[in-house]
Amino acid sequence: AQSVAQPEDQVNVAEGNPLTVKCTYSVSGNPYLFWYVQYPNRGLQFLLKYITGDNLVKGSYGFEAEFNKSQTSFHLKKPSALVSDSALYFCAVREEVNTGFQKLVFGTGTRLLVSP
Amino acid sequence: DAGITQSPRHKVTETGTPVTLRCHQTENHRYMYWYRQDPGHGLRLIHYSYGVKDTDKGEVSDGYSVSRSKTEDFLLTLESATSSQTSVYFCAIGRGESYEQYFGPGTRLTVT
Repeated sequence: AQSVAQPEDQVNVAEGNPLTVKCTYSVSGNPYLFWYVQYPNRGLQFLLKYITGDNLVKGSYGFEAEFNKSQTSFHLKKPSALVSDSALYFCAVREEVNTGFQKLVFGTGTRLLVSP
Repeated sequence: DAGITQSPRHKVTETGTPVTLRCHQTENHRYMYWYRQDPGHGLRLIHYSYGVKDTDKGEVSDGYSVSRSKTEDFLLTLESATSSQTSVYFCAIGRGESYEQYFGPGTRLTVT
């Protein structure tokens, strides 16, 4: 089965500093990886995905993620954090079931706190 | 929120009562999902649907059933609610060709 791990429950960063939210994956075959963000009392919002191609993927709100096959990682990054980036972030991996249907397997989430 | 609504948004119910949550989409997507979100567990898949009357179980389906009689509606039923089913429930639609999922605003369910 496919899985992702988010080793940090919380990440703290000062506004203006670069941020990194970590994700490692375990898959058979080629990984299809995703990042989602959840603001308080809201549903998850899609940020970006890696399917194939460039290892650096750019997404919404200035976020990007770096796919590293040798380290089986897909870390989320942003060059300069904003207070409004404070939220819960989820990494996910696609898993295909026998019917050809695909589902997402989510990590446990990392809370990002950006201080002014 | 990609044209997805969930109702009710909040519900408090008693142990042993049946509860039905509704997910409605306006974009005619084939794939729909129900998840629950709990601290320390992230999101876990309860049931999913790949078409009208085509549904299957996810990883935490015990105590839940679903129905999809129309493309736009996906219902989740807790047959006899228990306190362990206190959670936030999210519906999602899947855009199959791009593998992305888009989520509704969630339903906060409390079972007392």
